[in-house]
Parts: sequence; C-alpha cells; structure tokens
Amino acid sequence: GAVVSQHPSWVICKSGTSVKIECRSLDFQATTMFWYRQFPKQSLMLMATSNEGSKATYEQGVEKDKFLINHASLTLSTLTVTSAHPEDSSFYICSAIRDSQGGYTFGSGTRLTVV
Amino acid sequence: AQSVTQPDIHITVSEGASLELRCNYSYGATPYLFWYVQSPGQGLQLLLKYFSGDTLVQGIKGFEAEFKRSQSSFNLRKPSVHWSDAAEYFCAVAPYGGATNKLIFGTGTLLAVQP
Repeated sequence: GAVVSQHPSWVICKSGTSVKIECRSLDFQATTMFWYRQFPKQSLMLMATSNEGSKATYEQGVEKDKFLINHASLTLSTLTVTSAHPEDSSFYICSAIRDSQGGYTFGSGTRLTVV
Repeated sequence: AQSVTQPDIHITVSEGASLELRCNYSYGATPYLFWYVQSPGQGLQLLLKYFSGDTLVQGIKGFEAEFKRSQSSFNLRKPSVHWSDAAEYFCAVAPYGGATNKLIFGTGTLLAVQP
C-alpha cells in the first residue's frame, strides 16, 4: 500500500512551453503533498507544500507564478512549470503524507529537460 | 541556522565491511528523523524513521540508526555492506514533528562499494 504515482517519468520540452507533472496517491487520500526539486548530485530542495482545496505554500525564493501547483482532489496534485527555460531542467519529486505518523511516500520523480 | 548536515559527501567501503553514515541536525526540539536511499534517476525509498521511544531503530535491508539527543545526531549503520547498497543516502528531518510538516533533507552521502 501507500503508493504515489508520478507522471511523466521524464519529459523534454522546448524553451517557452509549459509542462505539467502529476502526482497521484493511488491507495490513500493525501490532504498534503510536497514538491521537491533536485539538481544533479545535489539534495532535494522543498519547493512548495500543496494542500487540497487551498493555495499552495511556496518556500522562499520559489516563483509561484512559474511553478503552478494545483491540489484539486485528495488524490491528485499537479505541478506546472510555465514558460520553461533550460535552467528549469531538473529532477522533480512529489511526496504525500500517508498517515498521522509522518508516513511520507515519494513518487518516482520526473526528469525535466528544457531545450 | 536550522539545518540538516551530512558531513560525508562520498564514502567508499569494501563489500562486507561495516558502514556508518553521519547525520546531524540543528533544530531545537526533537524532530521526526528519517533516512532515505535513492538509486540513480529514481525516487526515494524509506529505510527507517524515528519519532520517539527506543533510540535504536531498525530498518529495512539490514540498516539501523541511533538517535543521540545529546549530539543531535541520527547516524545510519549497517554491519556488512552489500554491493547493491551503492546509492545516495539522505537524512531528512521533519523539524516540528507532526503529520503534515515538510521534510528537510541533508545534502546526501554517495556510497560506493568496492568488490
């Protein structure tokens, strides 16, 4: 149990286009999901906290107009990278809270390459 | 500043040797503590976690970790390393505990295993 599905696993897009990444909790309801970004050979940096039915909370330095987060249901959060540029190329990982004991489940990540 | 520190960026051990990966945190209260493993291009797998109680925590794949409050440490250990353990290891902290708080990750330790 406690599976988080993240799609796509990789995507290549042209500079200036937008890309949507989906994060789904398959067998549990997740009122809270998190989006992380990981540069090559670096750690995961929290971008934002996504709460079902409300606006996402962004970490300092993260452009909320560029990284649009929508958490419209208890099983789905989406991250849209708008007007992507090569510097947005990165590995994006979502995480969902599984239970009250801090059970965080991670998606398998999305490799975004902007050309 | 509040942080999670993994002092060792790279560690190389021989197969069959013991392993200890260090993790220190600088949050005031006792946070929730986690160790994750990440294979190249993959998501994160939880090895173990500590919330309270016994300070020696057993995890999957033969890993264990010990919480030492006096040292603000949560070091990961394995008595005998296998070649398949080669991966990146991340210590993570939920600074304020609880079920809905974000995880803060350390910078990671890349483990290489020599035959």
